[in-house]
Amino acid sequence: KNQVEQSPQSLIILEGKNCTLQCNYTVSPFSNLRWYKQDTGRGPVSLTIMTFSENTKSNGRYTATLDADTKQSSLHITASQLSDSASYICVANTNAGKSTFGDGTTLTVKP
Amino acid sequence: GAGVSQSPRYKVAKRGQDVALRCDPISGHVSLFWYQQALGQGPEFLTYFQNEAQLDKSGLPSDRFFAERPEGSVSTLKIQRTQQEDSAVYLCASSLGGPGVPRYTDTQYFGPGTRLTVL
Repeated sequence: KNQVEQSPQSLIILEGKNCTLQCNYTVSPFSNLRWYKQDTGRGPVSLTIMTFSENTKSNGRYTATLDADTKQSSLHITASQLSDSASYICVANTNAGKSTFGDGTTLTVKP
Repeated sequence: GAGVSQSPRYKVAKRGQDVALRCDPISGHVSLFWYQQALGQGPEFLTYFQNEAQLDKSGLPSDRFFAERPEGSVSTLKIQRTQQEDSAVYLCASSLGGPGVPRYTDTQYFGPGTRLTVL
């Protein structure tokens, strides 16, 4: 069964600090992995997408990594801002077009 | 430009009522997706359209759920005889799509969702 597990479930950090969110996936056959940011009351917004052959991708202060051998991905947020407070969702996609979403990590950035 | 819009934003239904949720995708987007998101969980796939054709409805939880996109633009998700376990946020997403574009690589743009509460 395809699964995506994210950790931690929630995280509180101070403004300006860095943090790393984890995603472990078991999907087959693996095609790509996306990270989304979902603000409260809004739909998810794509941050990065990585295929099997890519192991890092950046989008501003967000850097995603992918280890296809261990089936792990991480999202690193640098110099956090209050507006980074949101749920971050990892999604693993198969070549057959199936998407498996994780339950997300809720990040709270405090001043 | 305008993003994906959904209406209503909030819907309260009594158990047993039928509801219809509307999605207006980004103009020109070929692909349209519906997801169900329970509180504190990630979205779960319901169904996928390419233009007016419903190519994948494997995620629809029961035959009470029905989706259509008759003219290849606006889509409606209908839930008949609602039950309490149907309470969730229903998200719609669209992507550019097109011939030869795999749906699993295309960026999806999500609407704000409709929060359905069944009493």
